[in-house]
Amino acid sequence: GDSVTQMEGPVTLSEEAFLTINCTYTATGYPSLFWYVQYPGEGLQLLLKATKADDKGSNKGFEATYRKETTSFHLEKGSVQVSDSAVYFCALSERGGGTSYGKLTFGQGTILTVHP
Amino acid sequence: NAGVTQTPKFQVLKTGQSMTLQCAQDMNHEYMSWYRQDPGMGLRLIHYSVGAGITDQGEVPNGYNVSRSTTEDFPLRLLSAAPSQTSVYFCASSFLQGGEAFFGQGTRLTVV
Repeated sequence: GDSVTQMEGPVTLSEEAFLTINCTYTATGYPSLFWYVQYPGEGLQLLLKATKADDKGSNKGFEATYRKETTSFHLEKGSVQVSDSAVYFCALSERGGGTSYGKLTFGQGTILTVHP
Repeated sequence: NAGVTQTPKFQVLKTGQSMTLQCAQDMNHEYMSWYRQDPGMGLRLIHYSVGAGITDQGEVPNGYNVSRSTTEDFPLRLLSAAPSQTSVYFCASSFLQGGEAFFGQGTRLTVV
């Protein structure tokens, strides 16, 4: 079946540091890829997405590129802020017929803490 | 713009009690789902639905029931609560063609 593996956390950085959170996946088909963010006490919200190979998703200074050859979708940000402290989830959604649509498979989540 | 609304936000149950977690969305999404979030395990799919009258099991369905009588509502029922069901529960919805899933704020459930 499908699976998503994220780098183990937690990750602790100083403000303005560079961030990378690794994500690799296995899928039977050609999935869409997502990064979701969960701020303390809240539900998940979409951070960025990519739907085909070599697509780059970006939002709020975060970027991730869909690499089909390495089955990866690593999240990066050049300069993190204290307000970026949250849990980040990599996820995939298979495309295809029937009930495949909409079903998300999540990684285990990476806790990011940014200190001033 | 309500999005996905979950109630209650917090609940404490005694072992063996039953309860229903409510979920409603106002975006006319066909696909709705329930996840549980446990430390170090990400989100695991409990049950999902692709439309009114259609439900199916996810990865961890045991001990939970769902129904989908309308497009808007997708309640999750715990039949006989167990301590292993202590978790944070999230409801989500999206269009069937994929794309962004919208999540509720979550229900923190403790079974003692």
